[in-house]
Amino acid sequence: GAGVSQTPSNKVTEKGKYVELRCDPISGHTALYWYRQSLGQGPEFLIYFQGTGAADDSGLPNDRFFAVRPEGSVSTLKIQRTERGDSAVYLCASSFLAGNNEQFFGPGTRLTVL
Amino acid sequence: ILNVEQSPQSLHVQEGDSTNFTCSFPSSNFYALHWYRWETAKSPEALFVMTLNGDEKKKGRISATLNTKEGYSYLYIKGSQPEDSATYLCAFRNTGNQFYFGTGTSLTVIP
Repeated sequence: GAGVSQTPSNKVTEKGKYVELRCDPISGHTALYWYRQSLGQGPEFLIYFQGTGAADDSGLPNDRFFAVRPEGSVSTLKIQRTERGDSAVYLCASSFLAGNNEQFFGPGTRLTVL
Repeated sequence: ILNVEQSPQSLHVQEGDSTNFTCSFPSSNFYALHWYRWETAKSPEALFVMTLNGDEKKKGRISATLNTKEGYSYLYIKGSQPEDSATYLCAFRNTGNQFYFGTGTSLTVIP
């Protein structure tokens, strides 16, 4: 079956622009996670959805970052007024439930802010 | 800030050698410890989810142990093969369902 997919795979934008990153989780997975990985670091938790609602958004670095999952499936991570420091790989993962289950990761979106 | 540390940062071994690396994490609010294998240009692949102190898990030539009281996990690879070359990530999951990743151990197996 299809795994987690993310689009685009690469995004280059200019400082100050708005970007949207999309994640398609595995069908039937209720939990969805967003992470950000900067160079030389491990993935850093951003936000986690259980169904349509954000169960924990404590990892979002500031109010320029926002994520939605309106129908409990596809999620979009939105970044306003991008800054050079936002350049990173943005990873999405999904799991069947938010409990003690494996997460399945997508390939990531590499965002470069010039 | 919660610290999850992995060592060594990188490792080069000869084909056929066995190797191991460490993940250390806080011993409080523990829920689970996850290991992932991440090859370049691919998605991280789940290896193990470990929850109980003393847990040992095995998948082929790869195994892992868990000590929640002292806050560490070891990943072992027996008879390393070139296809084992990847970055191995661990993630500490707390009782609030938050994940904290280490920076990974980059393994290169030389044929």
